[in-house]
Amino acid sequence: SQTIHQWPATLVQPVGSPLSLECTVEGTSNPNLYWYRQAAGRGLQLLFYSVGIGQISSEVPQNLSASRPQDRQFILSSKKLLLSDSGFYLCAWSVRGGINTEAFFGQGTRLTVV
Amino acid sequence: LAKTTQPISMDSYEGQEVNITCSHNNIATNDYITWYQQFPSQGPRFIIQGYKTKVTNEVASLFIPADRKSSTLSLPRVSLSDTAVYYCLVGPSGTYKYIFGTGTRLKVLA
Repeated sequence: SQTIHQWPATLVQPVGSPLSLECTVEGTSNPNLYWYRQAAGRGLQLLFYSVGIGQISSEVPQNLSASRPQDRQFILSSKKLLLSDSGFYLCAWSVRGGINTEAFFGQGTRLTVV
Repeated sequence: LAKTTQPISMDSYEGQEVNITCSHNNIATNDYITWYQQFPSQGPRFIIQGYKTKVTNEVASLFIPADRKSSTLSLPRVSLSDTAVYYCLVGPSGTYKYIFGTGTRLKVLA
């Protein structure tokens, strides 16, 4: 069966520090991969999605970047965190080219920038 | 991708049936309607998906009128554990972009 791993679960980082969040998917090949952010009490905002290795699409201009160095690995990064980067970050995957497919989410990382 | 509009919040009591309506006036011919549920500090999870008329699974029912400009998620006999945010998404089959709106925050009271 397919599983998605996202870590760490919680993170407290000072303003101006770098960030690296990692997500890996097991049990499937060639998935679509996603990073979402959810501010406190708000809906989910799609940040990045990827349909293949090295292929990254950014939905919202921001202080973050994403990379996909391997087929089932998706990394969210920042060189210098801002207070506004605080939030709940979720990684997700879906079957590439699937019909009526659903997105499967990880457990999320709660990032607090202080 | 079609824009969706949902109520921001709803309250209900245990044992009642809850209906959450989503408006999607500019739905396209090849769009499907999908609902997700999100508990606090967790990722959303798929509940149900449909194209027209009625779809039912072990968790919920989805009612879609003939014009498909709206849809209603029906949760039978809710319990406290159904307290969550419910999202309606509209998009073409096989789309790889999942755009979530603000969702409907359902609170089930004892």
